[in-house]
Amino acid sequence: KQEVTQIPAALSVPEGENLVLNCSFTDSAIYNLQWFRQDPGKGLTSLLLIQSSQREQTSGRLNASLDKSSGRSTLYIAASQPGDSATYLCAVRDNYGQNFVFGPGTRLSVLP
Amino acid sequence: DAGVIQSPRHEVTEMGQEVTLRCKPISGHNSLFWYRQTMMRGLELLIYFNNNVPIDDSGMPEDRFSAKMPNASFSTLKIQPSEPRDSAVYFCASSSRQVGGELFFGEGSRLTVL
Repeated sequence: KQEVTQIPAALSVPEGENLVLNCSFTDSAIYNLQWFRQDPGKGLTSLLLIQSSQREQTSGRLNASLDKSSGRSTLYIAASQPGDSATYLCAVRDNYGQNFVFGPGTRLSVLP
Repeated sequence: DAGVIQSPRHEVTEMGQEVTLRCKPISGHNSLFWYRQTMMRGLELLIYFNNNVPIDDSGMPEDRFSAKMPNASFSTLKIQPSEPRDSAVYFCASSSRQVGGELFFGEGSRLTVL
């Protein structure tokens, strides 16, 4: 059974710092991996999707990498801003079924 | 596209009442998911459909919960009778493997059972 963990559970940084969020999964037979952002009281917004054949994806100040063999993905946020404060979740979709398994999320606070 | 559309956005009801949550997936998506989110348990998968057929309902907590997908553009999640512990935010999401399998969420339905 696929299990997804995220470290750290919470992170507080001053504005302008570059930061890395980590996601680990136990079964490397994945179809894709997706990073989401959730603001308080809101739904989940898709940030980046990495297919199993890809190593990384970039969107603006965000860069996500994928290492299937080690069961890890990282989300890199450059030059963080207070508006980046939110909970970040990763989810993996397996090759067998079509289900997505979510991590518990990392709660990020960027202080002005 | 309008995205995944859920209704109602907020529902307050009394214990024992029937609750029906509705979802319209993104047009062309063939997979639909119902999730529940609480502070204590995080995001939990309740059930998902592929091509309108329920594939895995092992996350449905009890017989009080039921879900249907009568066609490709509509799904319902019903709770009967509702209980205070059902209070949560219920999310619907959809995806299509034909376009990379990206998952898109609705805004959620916040349910409060008194």
